[in-house]
Order: sequence, then C-alpha cells, then structure tokens
Amino acid sequence: DADVTQTPRNRITKTGKRIMLECSQTKGHDRMYWYRQDPGLGLRLIYYSFDVKDINKGEISDGYSVSRQAQAKFSLSLESAIPNQTALYFCATSDSSTAEQFFGPGTRLTVL
Amino acid sequence: QKEVEQDPGPLSVPEGAIVSLNCTYSNSAFQYFMWYRQYSRKGPELLMYTYSSGNKEDGRFTAQVDKSSKYISLFIRDSQPSDSATYLCATGTNAGKSTFGDGTTLTVKP
Repeated sequence: DADVTQTPRNRITKTGKRIMLECSQTKGHDRMYWYRQDPGLGLRLIYYSFDVKDINKGEISDGYSVSRQAQAKFSLSLESAIPNQTALYFCATSDSSTAEQFFGPGTRLTVL
Repeated sequence: QKEVEQDPGPLSVPEGAIVSLNCTYSNSAFQYFMWYRQYSRKGPELLMYTYSSGNKEDGRFTAQVDKSSKYISLFIRDSQPSDSATYLCATGTNAGKSTFGDGTTLTVKP
C-alpha cells in the first residue's frame, strides 16, 4: 500500500463550490505539506504543519485553508473555488530529522 | 528573484548521452540539497540527497554541490529512455521547509 495517499485523484468542479482534498500517511511523520504544481511554475507551498497543533502559511495560501485532524491526516480546502485554482495538488510528508519529503500521487483539480 | 533557479529545458538527448541538469540558489542558509524525479502523472520522488559541498554518486547519477558559487548539478551517465522525466532540484534548511526549482523535463530518445 502507498505510504502517502490522496483523495480524490481527479476532481472537476464549478466556480464557487467548496472543495476538500484529503491526505493520509502511514509513514509516522510529524511534518505534512500541501503544494500546487502548475506548468512551468514548479511546486509552490500552500500550507505546512510540523505537528498536529502547528499550522503555517506557505507562499500562496490565499483562497485555501487546511485542517490537521491527526498526525496522519492533513486536509486542504478551497472555500470558494475559482478557475485559476485549476492545478495539480500534492501532499507530502517528512520526518523532523531530514529535509527529504515523500509525496503522494497528486490530485488533479479542474475548476470550470 | 526566485530563491532557486533551474535551467528550464526541455532537454532532449539520444540514449547513452551524458546529461547535465543545473540549478542556482541565493540563500546561504540552505544546507540540504536534493534532486527529485517526477514521472508523468506521478508525484516527485527523491533521487539524490546531499548535505555538503562536493560530489555524491549513486550508480549512473552524480549530484554536485558548490556552496561557494551556490550552484548544484545532477549528472546522468549512459542515459536511458527510462530516465525520461521531469527533474526538480530542491534546497532546504533545518527549519524543515524545502524550496523547489521549476523543473527540467528530460527526454531520452532510443
């Protein structure tokens, strides 16, 4: 089984809808991250969490919110989706002793 | 200016060629240097990880870091069609976050 899972894998929605992307991990890592990837723009950090009670904004947090429900679960919400939030979204985890991150398979989100 | 700049590509080479992928960074505080490989429709996966200046070799892959010039490179020897992917450089500090380059897409033609 995959160590980092994301649901859904693909989602098409309409402008103004609320969307939640979920991430679960079995690696036992404290640190979790949400990124978006757009063609030519690489990975941009949305939010990150170093433990259950720690939530931090990344470089592009506007329009997004997160919830760290447990050590293993980190959800990303788009309160009112807009077309320029169409992108590939990745969840990642890391141990506190290393910079190496482990990525999930990604969620392809399309906002019409 | 971005903290990590990566040669954009795309790059297309014949099978067996030596490939050089390059990044520069601006923050002297970066201590960790990584290369991730991302196949189409997949998440990035760590390929190489180094903590200091110098070379680190793993099979056909060599990661090179020059902290004095803030330059990091990945060399692929005897490139194979299975090496076709997007390569992302990344740097990080003890604070835990990593900063990624935009990626270079490599195609190795048989």
